[in-house]
Amino acid sequence: EPEVTQTPSHQVTQMGQEVILRCVPISNHLYFYWYRQILGQKVEFLVSFYNNEISEKSEIFDDQFSVERPDGSNFTLKIRSTKLEDSAMYFCASTGTGNEKLFFGSGTQLSVL
Amino acid sequence: GESVGLHLPTLSVQEGDNSIINCAYSNSASDYFIWYKQESGKGPQFIIDIRSNMDKRQGQRVTVLLNKTVKHLSLQIAATQPGDSAVYFCAETPNSGNTPLVFGKGTRLSVIA
Repeated sequence: EPEVTQTPSHQVTQMGQEVILRCVPISNHLYFYWYRQILGQKVEFLVSFYNNEISEKSEIFDDQFSVERPDGSNFTLKIRSTKLEDSAMYFCASTGTGNEKLFFGSGTQLSVL
Repeated sequence: GESVGLHLPTLSVQEGDNSIINCAYSNSASDYFIWYKQESGKGPQFIIDIRSNMDKRQGQRVTVLLNKTVKHLSLQIAATQPGDSAVYFCAETPNSGNTPLVFGKGTRLSVIA
């Protein structure tokens, strides 16, 4: 069964450093998303991406965040200068039908020290 | 603001019993709902979805009920098994344009063997 793949599974970084979280969505999907989940809390929307541009973004997705689809398979989330409060599990998701039946990856646990 | 929430944060059931997990939503424009299961260290896994033109939908051992009058959603799991132990999230969207899924806080289901 096709799945969304995320790397790395864990990322530890120093405050102020840049991190790039990587995702390979399901191959025939067209809509891509990043969500995050702070420990013990609900899953929060960050950004959606379709047709090579951001469709929607939340208040969390400020100027420190960016997304990119550098080729036909990868979808990345970059945090330019990490803060302690960026520590969370980051999930990539994709769907072929826009906001329906999102398929999630296993996540990248980001720890900012 | 409008939000999706859950009545009970934890639920313990005996193996073999039926489980009912509840979710309240406040966005009257919501017309598409999903239940996700999240096991420890993993991403949300799609269980079942329902559109607002339906009251009930059944899957394998799971049933989702939608009461639009009181804006209530429930997930019923028949013959609960130890493998059902996880956190369950409801999520909703007005499904208009690219409005992202909004997740509730989650209910932890513990199955007692």
